[in-house]
Amino acid sequence: NAGVTQTPKFQVLKTGQSMTLQCAQDMNHEYMSWYRQDPGMGLRLIHYSVGAGITDQGEVPNGYNVSRSTTEDFPLRLLSAAPSQTSVYFCASSYSRGNTEAFFGQGTRLTVV
Amino acid sequence: RKEVEQDPGPFNVPEGATVAFNCTYSNSASQSFFWYRQDCRKEPKLLMSVYSSGNEDGRFTAQLNRASQYISLLIRDSKLSDSATYLCVVTGNTGGFKTIFGAGTRLFVKA
Repeated sequence: NAGVTQTPKFQVLKTGQSMTLQCAQDMNHEYMSWYRQDPGMGLRLIHYSVGAGITDQGEVPNGYNVSRSTTEDFPLRLLSAAPSQTSVYFCASSYSRGNTEAFFGQGTRLTVV
Repeated sequence: RKEVEQDPGPFNVPEGATVAFNCTYSNSASQSFFWYRQDCRKEPKLLMSVYSSGNEDGRFTAQLNRASQYISLLIRDSKLSDSATYLCVVTGNTGGFKTIFGAGTRLFVKA
């Protein structure tokens, strides 16, 4: 069972570079989300999607874009990387929004230098 | 004030000990509550949901007090394998549905 697959697991970027973090789930979940995790701050919601073609901003959306063209895929794009975006990024999916178990990908450790 | 606050850690306990984690939330309209476990450098995984009536899963007991806006997790007979970070998670539907994660409490169980 693949569950939620995130790639890459590690990435180093130079300031100003752009990149896309990939996320795919095979559980036919409607709800998908992206979080960043920083020491002492817990997971913070960046963007989320309640279904294909529908996305919305979370708590910390600046500097990131998302799209949801299919139920399975929910990529996160960093437009112009900044050192403040150094973090661990997690993609998650769930059957519905909020009241069911969220399944997480293995995370992407991003360093911006 | 953070929307979800947890006990500061880390907790260092010997094997076999009972340990309790507390969590408070600020939004009285919050609807669903969970405890997640996160191992070092791994993704969070659901440990258990928290119901108003309280719920138990083996050595783990979770309780919810809506009046005090307080959630707890009790671990009995701690094992070395319980060493992890425990995340309190609260969801609600005010101003848009939100899932809020606490910063987590780190637990070290020692032999």
